[in-house]
Amino acid sequence: SQQGEEDPQALSIQEGENATMNCSYKTSINNLQWYRQNSGRGLVHLILIRSNEREKHSGRLRVTLDTSKKSSSLLITASRAADTASYFCATDAKGGSEKLVFGKGTKLTVNP
Amino acid sequence: NAGVTQTPKFQVLKTGQSMTLQCAQDMNHEYMSWYRQDPGMGLRLIHYSVGAGITDQGEVPNGYNVSRSTTEDFPLRLLSAAPSQTSVYFCASRPLQGKHQPQHFGDGTRLSIL
Repeated sequence: SQQGEEDPQALSIQEGENATMNCSYKTSINNLQWYRQNSGRGLVHLILIRSNEREKHSGRLRVTLDTSKKSSSLLITASRAADTASYFCATDAKGGSEKLVFGKGTKLTVNP
Repeated sequence: NAGVTQTPKFQVLKTGQSMTLQCAQDMNHEYMSWYRQDPGMGLRLIHYSVGAGITDQGEVPNGYNVSRSTTEDFPLRLLSAAPSQTSVYFCASRPLQGKHQPQHFGDGTRLSIL
């Protein structure tokens, strides 16, 4: 069963607006990762945040992690049409299982 | 440096046929894994390997076999294809050293079982 659950399932915004996606998970984690998937392609790693980190930035991406609430958010600022894609969170659970468990994803559409 | 290469990109099979999905990586990654992606289901782990000669089951292993004879290759075998195995299959790899390593994905194999 999925560890991470993204919210919303779909999001449609205008170019230039900010997009926020949320992820909730169930168990203790080593880290949480966000991936992007363009239509018909594989997943591309965006950013990884460790369990002892609360916020991380990479370009126009900002990720927060709240381990007490078992949740994370991905913020894309000043969105572009090229940001149109599905976004997935994935959790690396504590316990040494070496498994990365993905959520069902948020489909983001950025309208020009 | 090609990364993770999956072949074929598309395949149509009849129920009961067998086939092998190929996955190769040139990054010397110890960890390799297979996922399937179905609409509305996200990615689900089928099998994974932490090194040559070592494989383990993921969330949905039934109907699939894997082997890992080399670091580079991790083929996924469907012994008797069923319509429920119609899906997009992704192979991924990452270094095993260190807890915080992102995965590198191939572009997927789109498989239809008639």
